[in-house]
Amino acid sequence: GEDVEQSLFLSVREGDSSVINCTYTDSSSTYLYWYKQEPGAGLQLLTYIFSNMDMKQDQRLTVLLNKKDKHLSLRIADTQTGDSAIYFCAEMTGSARQLTFGSGTQLTVLP
Amino acid sequence: EAGVVQSPRYKIIEKKQPVAFWCNPISGHNTLYWYRQNLGQGPELLIRYENEEAVDDSQLPKDRFSAERLKGVDSTLKIQPAELGDSAVYLCASSTRTGVGSNYGYTFGSGTRLTVV
Repeated sequence: GEDVEQSLFLSVREGDSSVINCTYTDSSSTYLYWYKQEPGAGLQLLTYIFSNMDMKQDQRLTVLLNKKDKHLSLRIADTQTGDSAIYFCAEMTGSARQLTFGSGTQLTVLP
Repeated sequence: EAGVVQSPRYKIIEKKQPVAFWCNPISGHNTLYWYRQNLGQGPELLIRYENEEAVDDSQLPKDRFSAERLKGVDSTLKIQPAELGDSAVYLCASSTRTGVGSNYGYTFGSGTRLTVV
């Protein structure tokens, strides 16, 4: 079955890089996503990567995909206090276009 | 473009009462999804529509939950009667059916936060 796993918490100092990791089990994933959710807010799409790519960079965000190990990571460069939020990894599989989410990683940025 | 619009934003009801949530997807998006997000967890799919047809409702608790998407545009999700455990954020999303390499335009609404007391 489908399962997406993330570590629950990450703390970093302002200005440092953050790396949030995710593992998934479905090798037929077509897209993998990173969403950001601030308290009381909806899901904000940060970035996504197509399954035939290894890396995608978008300003401060770098996504790395290791298909062999089914491992996805999100690196946030120069982390700011405004980056404090819960980050969800999600995979899309097959023609159903259903998203399966991890439980989220709470990122805390310390001043 | 307005994005996926949901209402109400918040709803507080007593247990055993009915409640309904409304979603207006992005214009032209054939596929509509309802997800439920429990506190401290990621969203989980409840039901998926292709136009007006519910093609995947295997995760929908059918004893108390129902959904409809008349005319293949707006959708309503209903709970009757609500239970304490139904407290969650209910998210609607929409996408196209085509567009490999373009993420299918997958977009979430802001959600309805339901509190059952």
